Amino acid sequence: AQTVTQSQPEMSVQEAETVTLSCTYDTSENNYYLFWYKQPPSRQMILVIRQEAYKQQNATENRFSVNFQKAAKSFSLKISDSQLGDTAMYFCAFMKHDAYGGSQGNLIFGKGTKLSVKP
Amino acid sequence: NAGVTQTPKFQVLKTGQSMTLQCAQDMNHNSMYWYRQDPGMGLRLIYYSASEGTTDKGEVPNGYNVSRLNKREFSLRLESAAPSQTSVYFCASRQDFNYGYTFGSGTRLTVV
Repeated sequence: AQTVTQSQPEMSVQEAETVTLSCTYDTSENNYYLFWYKQPPSRQMILVIRQEAYKQQNATENRFSVNFQKAAKSFSLKISDSQLGDTAMYFCAFMKHDAYGGSQGNLIFGKGTKLSVKP
Repeated sequence: NAGVTQTPKFQVLKTGQSMTLQCAQDMNHNSMYWYRQDPGMGLRLIYYSASEGTTDKGEVPNGYNVSRLNKREFSLRLESAAPSQTSVYFCASRQDFNYGYTFGSGTRLTVV
């Protein structure tokens, strides 16, 4: 069974600074996806960034980037130039590559990191 | 707007009462999911449905039943609510062979 671990329950950062959220996972699969989801106080689940395991290049989306270390099973999220609107819960998640549909596509979440951006 | 619609958004139940959480999607997705979110626990899968007419247990199915009424709708039923079922419930859908999940806005359920 796959597991996802986020070891930082809470973090804070000053506005405009950089913060890194940690995530490790355990799997015997070779093909999979990794995700970071953001959940602001509105409760909406927002996909921030995704990484395909077969890609060596780290994914980047504007101020958000990841450090994907497949051998170490590590998937950290870096937020640059933090903004007040980045205040939210952040969830790391794992999904097997959905080659066959069905349960392959179930998302497995970590417990989350609550990020506060301070003015 | 296309997406996943959950009703109700908020609900308070007394212990032992029953209720059904409704979920509908209009994206023609095959797969649908029910998750619960508890503080410090992340989101945990209750049940999922890979296609119309099929349902399977997830990580925390005890105390719940589901129905995949048709391709659009996937409901979650609490037959006899317990305080341990106080949680935020999310429905989601996904197209096969695609990583993209679409989440509903959640239902905050309190059992007293």
